[in-house]
Amino acid sequence: EAGVVQSPRYKIIEKKQPVAFWCNPISGHNTLYWYLQNLGQGPELLIRYENEEAVDDSQLPKDRFSAERLKGVDSTLKIQPAELGDSAVYLCASSFGLAGGTDTQYFGPGTRLTVL
Amino acid sequence: QKEVEQNSGPLSVPEGAIASLNCTYSDRVSQSFFWYRQYSGKSPELIMSIYSNGDKEDGRFTAQLNKASQYVSLLIRDSQPSDSATYLCAVTPGYSTLTFGKGTMLLVSP
Repeated sequence: EAGVVQSPRYKIIEKKQPVAFWCNPISGHNTLYWYLQNLGQGPELLIRYENEEAVDDSQLPKDRFSAERLKGVDSTLKIQPAELGDSAVYLCASSFGLAGGTDTQYFGPGTRLTVL
Repeated sequence: QKEVEQNSGPLSVPEGAIASLNCTYSDRVSQSFFWYRQYSGKSPELIMSIYSNGDKEDGRFTAQLNKASQYVSLLIRDSQPSDSATYLCAVTPGYSTLTFGKGTMLLVSP
């Protein structure tokens, strides 16, 4: 069974440029998560989808970040414009979809973003 | 603010020893508790989950949960150099999503 797929794996951009990350969850997983992980820190949730509905986006900086999960399968996270402080690893995870966070989340390999 | 606290380490143990990793959490209504392992440059992978007080064993790993004291721990018996990684404690406060600690780096020396 294929795991969570993310692309690109690495991205280097100039500040103020836009950037987008793509995630394809494990087949059959209804819940999809985007996390941000800074060096030496644990992952921090940006947004959680149940099917195509964003059910928790309270930590998403909506002035520059946006996300979508059309058709309830793959998802895109966008930053526009990027700032130096956005340099981090962006992780996508998926789970089968029990209520809340009680079921196992499987993480993708992440996208390492560097903003110059 | 819901918090999960871990000692950042590094925790250094010799090969074959028991490694003990600890985690405390602030939200008393937390329901589910997880330990993830993260190798450098890789993504987190789940190694243990525990939902009720007491011990849960899986091979060389034992998770321990004490809800009254609000702590969860992970014991790794017969530690191997391949266990060297950062171990992330994660907690589900109520029915919301996972809150991760900063992780404890474990170094197992041959």
